[in-house]
Amino acid sequence: GEDVEQSLFLSVREGDSSVINCTYTDSSSTYLYWYKQEPGAGLQLLTYIFSNMDMKQDQRLTVLLNKKDKHLSLRIADTQTGDSAIYFCVLATSGTYKYIFGTGTRLKVLA
Amino acid sequence: DTEVTQTPKHLVMGMTNKKSLKCEQHMGHRAMYWYKQKAKKPPELMFVYSYEKLSINESVPSRFSPECPNSSLLNLHLHALQPEDSALYLCASSQALQAGENEQFFGPGTRLTVL
Repeated sequence: GEDVEQSLFLSVREGDSSVINCTYTDSSSTYLYWYKQEPGAGLQLLTYIFSNMDMKQDQRLTVLLNKKDKHLSLRIADTQTGDSAIYFCVLATSGTYKYIFGTGTRLKVLA
Repeated sequence: DTEVTQTPKHLVMGMTNKKSLKCEQHMGHRAMYWYKQKAKKPPELMFVYSYEKLSINESVPSRFSPECPNSSLLNLHLHALQPEDSALYLCASSQALQAGENEQFFGPGTRLTVL
């Protein structure tokens, strides 16, 4: 099955950039999502990228996809304390029903 | 309305109780999902409904019983649960069952504690 790995924890200072990484094994993934989960809450879709793209920018968020290395990253510019949360990369393949969740990265933003 | 709502927010139940979790969406989505999430772990898929029919059961124990009374509502009936079933239960919906083309929208979850 698909393995989707993320580093467990990231700590940054307010105003700095954060980069959250995700590596995966199955190259058939066609849609790659980033979700944010605040403590005790549901998951909020932040952004997504199609597998035929290398980069997508959406305000403070930049998603980079390196298909050769099977590596996805989410960069948050000017990180704020409100960005403190768990971030999940989620992969999906056309024609299937399953969304494959990464292990999650806990981002802590220090004031 | 791009919201998925879930009730109750919190639920404490004994192992002999019967209770239900409720999920509602009014986005016209035809696929609805139940996930279970333990602390510091990603959500695990339990059930998927497509057009009000159960499409996927990820080998979930029969003490969890899903129901989809109509296209907007999804219930999860609980009976004779174990303490290890304590978790955050998340409902999600998507336009259709095909993963990828259809992003999932998640509810806020029900925090379940089984004593």
